[in-house]
Amino acid sequence: NAGVTQTPKFQVLKTGQSMTLQCAQDMNHEYMSWYRQDPGMGLRLIHYSVGAGITDQGEVPNGYNVSRSTTEDFPLRLLSAAPSQTSVYFCASSLDRVREQYFGPGTRLTVT
Amino acid sequence: KNQVEQSPQSLIILEGKNCTLQCNYTVSPFSNLRWYKQDTGRGPVSLTIMTFSENTKSNGRYTATLDADTKQSSLHITASQLSDSASYICVVSAASGGSYIPTFGRGTSLIVHP
Repeated sequence: NAGVTQTPKFQVLKTGQSMTLQCAQDMNHEYMSWYRQDPGMGLRLIHYSVGAGITDQGEVPNGYNVSRSTTEDFPLRLLSAAPSQTSVYFCASSLDRVREQYFGPGTRLTVT
Repeated sequence: KNQVEQSPQSLIILEGKNCTLQCNYTVSPFSNLRWYKQDTGRGPVSLTIMTFSENTKSNGRYTATLDADTKQSSLHITASQLSDSASYICVVSAASGGSYIPTFGRGTSLIVHP
């Protein structure tokens, strides 16, 4: 049982490049979410999903896309990276929105 | 606007001592309050989850309290250990139909010295 896994651990992008941050969980959790964590600020919700085929926007969705084709995977796509997207990104999963959330180890993204 | 304020911002204590971290919130309507521990360079780990009807929840040496009337919560750490050095994050979620956007505090950085 690997829990929540994220790849890559580190990534450097140039402005305008695109990339996908991968997130997978093997706990059969319906609820998955993406957060960003910036220095001096609390984590902020980007997008979330309550089950396969269902996604919704969080607090800071602009510049990011998500999809949920399977229960296990919830990738986050940056279509055109901007320096303001430099951050640490965490994926999390839980049985539902009120149960304990399990976080992945994070992806540290730098956009130059 | 929903807000979560944590205090103190940072705290240094000696190993074996107790400490209490505070969380005040203005999130409405209230659904649940969670405390997380985040080690440097790692993802947050859940310590406790409390709903409106619960006023205390323990997890080993960690005890969280909730006063829904005053919108305050505290996390008490008993007999601190070096491994307790971390950031402690308070998160409050609003109950709003099918939508769910939690509000995170900025965290309290705890350093435990030998």
